[in-house]
Amino acid sequence: SQKIEQNSEALNIQEGKTATLTCNYTNYSPAYLQWYRQDPGRGPVFLLLIRENEKEKRKERLKVTFDTTLKQSLFHITASQPADSATYLCAHTGFQKLVFGTGTRLLVSP
Amino acid sequence: DAGVIQSPRHEVTEMGQEVTLRCKPISGHDYLFWYRQTMMRGLELLIYFNNNVPIDDSGMPEDRFSAKMPNASFSTLKIQPSEPRDSAVYFCASSLRGLAEGGETQYFGPGTRLLVL
Repeated sequence: SQKIEQNSEALNIQEGKTATLTCNYTNYSPAYLQWYRQDPGRGPVFLLLIRENEKEKRKERLKVTFDTTLKQSLFHITASQPADSATYLCAHTGFQKLVFGTGTRLLVSP
Repeated sequence: DAGVIQSPRHEVTEMGQEVTLRCKPISGHDYLFWYRQTMMRGLELLIYFNNNVPIDDSGMPEDRFSAKMPNASFSTLKIQPSEPRDSAVYFCASSLRGLAEGGETQYFGPGTRLLVL
């Protein structure tokens, strides 16, 4: 079955550093990956989409990479801020529906 | 646009009772999705509709769950009878196009937090 895995342990970093979150997938080659942010008590909010023929995508302080050989996507937040603290979910397409990872919680300390 | 609207935001009920969750998608969006989120299993797709027609309900846990979309602006997810293991946050999401049409992103509602005692 298609699997998408994210580090379940929370990532703690200091303000100003770069946060890097990992998403690994198996048994499938998705056409694209999406990254969402989820704050407590709220629904996920779309951040970035990267297609399989794109190596890298950027949006302000966010950067996503997609390595189809390693079957991995990395999500970077540069110059992180406490306001970036949230859970970040990756998702890939699977038979015309999104399959989400369980998310990684990011905590940015001042 | 107000975004995806869900009601109620919180629901507490007793085992065996019927629960109805409601969703109003973003106007003009052709796709509507129902998800369930738990700590153990994360965010799981239950069912999705295209132009009010159910396309894939393979994620619906069992016959106790049913979903309808009588028109383009309203959908319900019903659990009857409810059980404690149904306790979770239920999200509704909508998108303009389908995934096969170009990687369309989904817009999520605030969710309904359900607790079955």
